Formats: sequence, C-alpha cells, structure tokens
Amino acid sequence: EPEVTQTPSHQVTQMGQEVILRCVPISNHLYFYWYRQILGQKVEFLVSFYNNEISEKSEIFDDQFSVERPDGSNFTLKIRSTKLEDSAMYFCATQVRTSTDTQYFGPGTRLTVL
Amino acid sequence: AQTVTQSQPEMSVQEAETVTLSCTYDTSESDYYLFWYKQPPSRQMILVIRQEAYKQQNATENRFSVNFQKAAKSFSLKISDSQLGDAAMYFCAYRSSVGNEKLTFGTGTRLTIIP
Repeated sequence: EPEVTQTPSHQVTQMGQEVILRCVPISNHLYFYWYRQILGQKVEFLVSFYNNEISEKSEIFDDQFSVERPDGSNFTLKIRSTKLEDSAMYFCATQVRTSTDTQYFGPGTRLTVL
Repeated sequence: AQTVTQSQPEMSVQEAETVTLSCTYDTSESDYYLFWYKQPPSRQMILVIRQEAYKQQNATENRFSVNFQKAAKSFSLKISDSQLGDAAMYFCAYRSSVGNEKLTFGTGTRLTIIP
C-alpha cells in the first residue's frame, strides 16, 4: 500500500538555523498539508498547498515558514530561523482530491531546537 | 470556526472488553466529515475510521464503530474486544466539505489497555 514518507525522522538544530523538512506524497495525490504537534498537545494545522500554491495557512504559519514543491514530487516545509518554540512533531498529510477523500499522514519529523 | 472537544484525557479498559471514547464538535455546516485517528507511541497518525455527515448509518471497521449523533454533534468511538495493540492516543477530527479541508483535531484521549 502506498505511503506518505517524511525525512528526516529526527532533526536537531540550533536556534536561529534554517531547517527543511521533506515529504514525499503518495503519487496520485494532489493536495498537501503540514500539521504540527507540540509534545503533549493536539495536532494543529499549519498550511495547505494545491496546484503549486498555498490555499490556506494558519496564524502559526508566519513569515518564518514557507512551503514548496520544487521538483514536482517532494513537498517541503522550510523554517528560516528556528525558535525554541518550533520544537515539535511535524506531519505531512496528502489526499487525492477534495470532498470525499481521506488525508493520509506521514510518520512525522521530530524537530528539536536547542 | 469549528471546534472539536474530547472530554476524556485518559481512559482504560481491560483486554477483550469494550470501551467508548467521546467526541463532540461545534459547527454551523450541514455537510462535513468526521474522523478518528490513532497515534501509538511511534507518534504516527493512523486513520481508524471516518464518517460522512450526510450518511445516517454509523461507520464500522472491524472492531471499531462510531455512534454519530448529528443533532447532538456527537461522534463517539467504540472499540470492541480491546487488544493490547489498541493502546494509543486517539484523536477525533473534523473536516469541512468545502474549502481547503484542513483537519481540526481534538485534544486526544490516551487509551490504556489493562492485560
């Protein structure tokens, strides 16, 4: 069964550094999402992406965050200058189309900012 | 904005018994989708079951079933014949049928299975 994959599984970085989290969607999926889960808290929506542009973003997704699909397959989340409070699990999710489809989640990237 | 509430931070059940996890939500929409996701210690999010609001019949997936009460805005998950592998955090989630369809999650219920 096809799966969403994410790399790296764990990223440790120093405050102020840039990080790029990568997601490989299921091949025929067209809608992409990033969610964040701070340890012990609920999963929160960050951004949705369709047709090579952002369709919605949350208030968490400020100017330090960006997303792109540079090569038509990988879907990346970049944090330009990490803060301590960016430490969290980041999940990529993808779905085929709208309405009737389910979002499938990747295994997540644990980001630790020191 | 839609909200999802899970009022049980923790639940426990004896192995082979049945347990019900509660979820309520608030929305002004008439058409939407509801989901239960399971998050084991590996922290991967795994879809357990989904329900379309326009369907009156409750969804079932093997040992997992839901009690969907649209008027009450309630969406509980019943796990029958609980197994040790069911131990996890369970998140209820809401998704609109229009727009970009982001998921809105509840705060989760940690389920412990007692051998």
